Amino acid sequence: DAKTTQPPSMDCAEGRAANLPCNHSTISGNEYVYWYRQIHSQGPQYIIHGLKNNETNEMASLIITEDRKSSTLILPHATLRDTAVYYCIVRLFTSGTYKYIFGTGTRLKVLA
Amino acid sequence: DSGVTQTPKHLITATGQRVTLRCSPRSGDLSVYWYQQSLDQGLQFLIQYYNGEERAKGNILERFSAQQFPDLHSELNLSSLELGDSALYFCASSRTPGHNTGELFFGEGSRLTVL
Repeated sequence: DAKTTQPPSMDCAEGRAANLPCNHSTISGNEYVYWYRQIHSQGPQYIIHGLKNNETNEMASLIITEDRKSSTLILPHATLRDTAVYYCIVRLFTSGTYKYIFGTGTRLKVLA
Repeated sequence: DSGVTQTPKHLITATGQRVTLRCSPRSGDLSVYWYQQSLDQGLQFLIQYYNGEERAKGNILERFSAQQFPDLHSELNLSSLELGDSALYFCASSRTPGHNTGELFFGEGSRLTVL
């Protein structure tokens, strides 16, 4: 199974951009990268996903390198409410279904 | 509110006991995933069902089992409980296994404490 590697923790000043990196060097050509976040012990919340092109939505931007071995999630103006654990996930297609394998994530702390 | 409902929210029980956790997926979602999250750990994939059939298995112990019923709700059964089974158990749903956007919608979890 493709695995992801993320730094265990990061700090970011409020109002600044938060750039969260993820390595997924074993990703296959048709596997998507997903980002979720978990605030305290709530259910994880979907943020964004992409295959090879950069993506942007109202929450964040996703930058995927040309070789697809790594990606960066960008929160353009971090707020205190963005403090959470962020998970980078590679979605696998196997045996006719999708599997979402979560890693240990990056604990982002936004500082006032 | 994701639309995924999990009950109970909290459960305290003793070692050796058996519990059942319940999940109602979002309206229209056919696929249900179960995850376990131990203290300060990531989410471990347990099992996935689609329209009543088991589709994928992860690190699910033999003491655990699950099923998805015709009305699409799912139950996760945990038996012969051990202290190490204390965790948050999340259920997530999605449209279909082949749906391209593939967004998972998570419930708020069931916190199990085994004493």
